[in-house]
Amino acid sequence: GNSVTQMEGPVTLSEEAFLTINCTYTATGYPSLFWYVQYPGEGLQLLLKATKADDKGSNKGFEATYRKETTSFHLEKGSVQVSDSAVYFCALTYTGNQFYFGTGTSLTVIP
Amino acid sequence: DTAVSQTPKYLVTQMGNDKSIKCEQNLGHDTMYWYKQDSKKFLKIMFSYNNKELIINETVPNRFSPKSPDKAHLNLHINSLELGDSAVYFCASSPPFDGRYNSPLHFGNGTRLTVT
Repeated sequence: GNSVTQMEGPVTLSEEAFLTINCTYTATGYPSLFWYVQYPGEGLQLLLKATKADDKGSNKGFEATYRKETTSFHLEKGSVQVSDSAVYFCALTYTGNQFYFGTGTSLTVIP
Repeated sequence: DTAVSQTPKYLVTQMGNDKSIKCEQNLGHDTMYWYKQDSKKFLKIMFSYNNKELIINETVPNRFSPKSPDKAHLNLHINSLELGDSAVYFCASSPPFDGRYNSPLHFGNGTRLTVT
C-alpha cells in the first residue's frame, strides 16, 4: 500500500540552527510529494512540492529533493527562525484526489 | 479573498446534539474533502466529493453525513455527537488531475469541535 513515514517530534531548535525533518514513503509507482506547514490555529498550507524523481522543491528557505532510490523527501532549512515554529506534514498523491499524510512533526524554534 | 472557507471556526456543544459545519471554495475546484485532525495532529481523510459525487468514504460512523449541493460547497452534518468526536475538522479542495502533475490540496482554517 501507500504510506508516508515522518520522523517523530517534537523537535526543538535554537534560532539559526540547521533543520532536517525526515520523510520516507512507500508507493507502488511515481507519486507527487508535498510538504505542508500548519501554523498554530490555522489550516495546512502548501510549503513545497516535487512531482518527479530528482526534482527539488523549495520555498521560504526550505528545500526537499525527491529521491526515488531511497524513497525519501527530507525537508531541510539552513537557518531556522522563531517564525518557523509549526507542525510540518509530508504527503503524497498519485491521482490528485487520494492524499496520504505523515503523522506530522512539531517544530519549536527558541530565540 | 478566502479560497476555502469553513464555518463556524469554533463549535462547542453537548453530547447527543446534531450539528453542521459548512465549507465553500471559490477556486473552481472539482474535488472537495473533509479531514479530521485529532489532538496529536494526526490527519484522517473522512470523505471526498468530485463534482457533487462521493468518491472517498472512509470508515467513519454513519452519524457523519456529507452533503454537496454543488461543486463549490461541501457540508458535514454530525448526528448524536459523542465525546470522541471532539477534534478539528478541515475542509479542503483540489483541482482535477491535468494528466501530468498532481496539484496540492487547499485547506480551510478548520473548525474546532468540542463536545462536552
